Amino acid sequence: DVKVTQSSRYLVKRTGEKVFLECVQDMDHENMFWYRQDPGLGLRLIYFSYDVKMKEKGDIPEGYSVSREKKERFSLILESASTNQTSMYLCASSLDFLGTGPNEKLFFGSGTQLSVL
Amino acid sequence: SQQGEEDPQALSIQEGENATMNCSYKTSINNLQWYRQNSGRGLVHLILIRSNEREKHSGRLRVTLDTSKKSSSLLITASRAADTASYFCATERDTGGFKTIFGAGTRLFVKA
Repeated sequence: DVKVTQSSRYLVKRTGEKVFLECVQDMDHENMFWYRQDPGLGLRLIYFSYDVKMKEKGDIPEGYSVSREKKERFSLILESASTNQTSMYLCASSLDFLGTGPNEKLFFGSGTQLSVL
Repeated sequence: SQQGEEDPQALSIQEGENATMNCSYKTSINNLQWYRQNSGRGLVHLILIRSNEREKHSGRLRVTLDTSKKSSSLLITASRAADTASYFCATERDTGGFKTIFGAGTRLFVKA
């Protein structure tokens, strides 16, 4: 089975800190995604990547950046953490994009609950 | 705006009963997926239904898709306490771009 590993289960950071959330997948998937999940809002897409060094903005990229130097690793960076970035962050990967092939399902990590104080 | 919207927001049933959750979406799609999330964890893929399919089964799960009404339903039969979770439908981005977009989810609570 595909494994998507997020480096931290819980993180507590201070306002203004630079925060790195790491995600690693072990199935050679082309596509990787970062979502944030907030109560009542569901999952919102922050950034995604379809290849090494390639990235695309999702619906809420402001205040975030990403890095994909290796195929298996996709990092989410909060340049200067703010309290409104307190959230659950979910990383996912897939072989195909939805609607483009037979392997479209997303595999998710367990999530990182980030608290910014 | 979100492409998929689940209904109801929350559902509480007794063990052994059936649970039905609905999803509506706005624009034409190629596929629709359902995911499950246990409290505080990542999502797990349950089932994918393509636009040319009307119904699909997987164990105790039955998914229907009505493209004319732009809606889908997830039925869990003979529910168990372990089915307690949030359920999300996921579709493509309504303006293209090959992104998977999720609704806000239905929280299901199955009482033992």
